[in-house]
Amino acid sequence: GAVVSQHPSWVICKSGTSVKIECRSLDFQATTMFWYRQFPKQSLMLMATSNEGSKATYEQGVEKDKFLINHASLTLSTLTVTSAHPEDSSFYICSARGAGGANQPQHFGDGTRLSIL
Amino acid sequence: ILNVEQSPQSLHVQEGDSTNFTCSFPSSNFYALHWYRWETAKSPEALFVMTLNGDEKKKGRISATLNTKEGYSYLYIKGSQPEDSATYLCASLYNFNKFYFGSGTKLNVKP
Repeated sequence: GAVVSQHPSWVICKSGTSVKIECRSLDFQATTMFWYRQFPKQSLMLMATSNEGSKATYEQGVEKDKFLINHASLTLSTLTVTSAHPEDSSFYICSARGAGGANQPQHFGDGTRLSIL
Repeated sequence: ILNVEQSPQSLHVQEGDSTNFTCSFPSSNFYALHWYRWETAKSPEALFVMTLNGDEKKKGRISATLNTKEGYSYLYIKGSQPEDSATYLCASLYNFNKFYFGSGTKLNVKP
């Protein structure tokens, strides 16, 4: 149980393109979803937290207009990298947490490797 | 940004060896400590969630302890097997939703 599906796995696109990444909880309701970014040889950095039906909470230094997050339902959250540039190239990974609060583990997707040319 | 540190960065052991890693975190406003195992080409898998000082959790040959007063957690693997090879991540949780991850300990178990 507790499967999270993240698509796409790989994206290569031209500078200026907007890219949407989907994160779905397949067999549980995700009351909270988290989006992370990882640079090479660094730790996972929390970008934003989203709860279903409400605006995402962004971490300091993360541009809201650049990284649009929508948590439309209890099973789906999307991250859109708008007008992507080479510096946005990175590994992005989502996680979902079910009801029960902070004592519950996160369930991760497989991640998306984004390369902007 | 809070600093969560893991040591060692990498570890090479022989099959059958027991090993342990450390996760250090700021203890102020601490909420919970998570351990994850991240195998190559897979998604991170939750191992333990611990909240109370003195907590000890066990899952098969893997166990973890938590000291919230001094801000550290240990992960132990007894009798390492090649399938234990992975990166082990800890994440400290503050204010309910703010997770801070360490850089991980990469374990390689040689047959």
